[in-house]
Amino acid sequence: KNEVEQSPQNLTAQEGEFITINCSYSVGISALHWLQQHPGGGIVSLFMLSSGKKKHGRLIATINIQEKHSSLHITASHPRDSAVYICGTGGGADGLTFGKGTHLIIQP
Amino acid sequence: GAVVSQHPSRVICKSGTSVKIECRSLDFQATTMFWYRQFPKKSLMLMATSNEGSKATYEQGVEKDKFLINHASLTLSTLTVTSAHPEDSSFYICSARVGLAGVYKNEQFFGPGTRLTVL
Repeated sequence: KNEVEQSPQNLTAQEGEFITINCSYSVGISALHWLQQHPGGGIVSLFMLSSGKKKHGRLIATINIQEKHSSLHITASHPRDSAVYICGTGGGADGLTFGKGTHLIIQP
Repeated sequence: GAVVSQHPSRVICKSGTSVKIECRSLDFQATTMFWYRQFPKKSLMLMATSNEGSKATYEQGVEKDKFLINHASLTLSTLTVTSAHPEDSSFYICSARVGLAGVYKNEQFFGPGTRLTVL
């Protein structure tokens, strides 16, 4: 069974700081997802990765298949980035296994 | 492209009533749809896997008579919470998996979620 661990669980930073959220998993996977969940609950899909690196605006996601590890980076963080960031692994014909999420607060 | 919608986004109901949540893939055909549930301050948990035209496969511990899943077409799956109780109050999220062809082959796309409150 795949175990997904995220760190840190909680992160408070100042506006403008570079943010890194980590995700580790225990078994080989076909894909890794990063989701964003704002207060009030709505889910937004940020990235799906199977290798390498993806960038969208100020968000960057990387994955190291050999080390079973992924990172989500936020450059020039802003208070509107405050949310819960969730990592999920698996894919293909299977549902995903998710980490518990990282609660990020960006203070102005 | 590859948008998944859920309806309603929020629902409040009385204990004992049934609630239906719809998950639609708006611009692609989804061979498989997944239903997840999120308890407060917990991670998303897979409830069931739904393939078009066949019975859903439920995860261990999920009551199939309580959570009825219908996947009648390649763009629509529904989750019905029957005889809802306050402990069913939760955030329900679906995802849809694209088939094995095209730009988004084999990817999963997530709906925004439905918050259910049972009084």
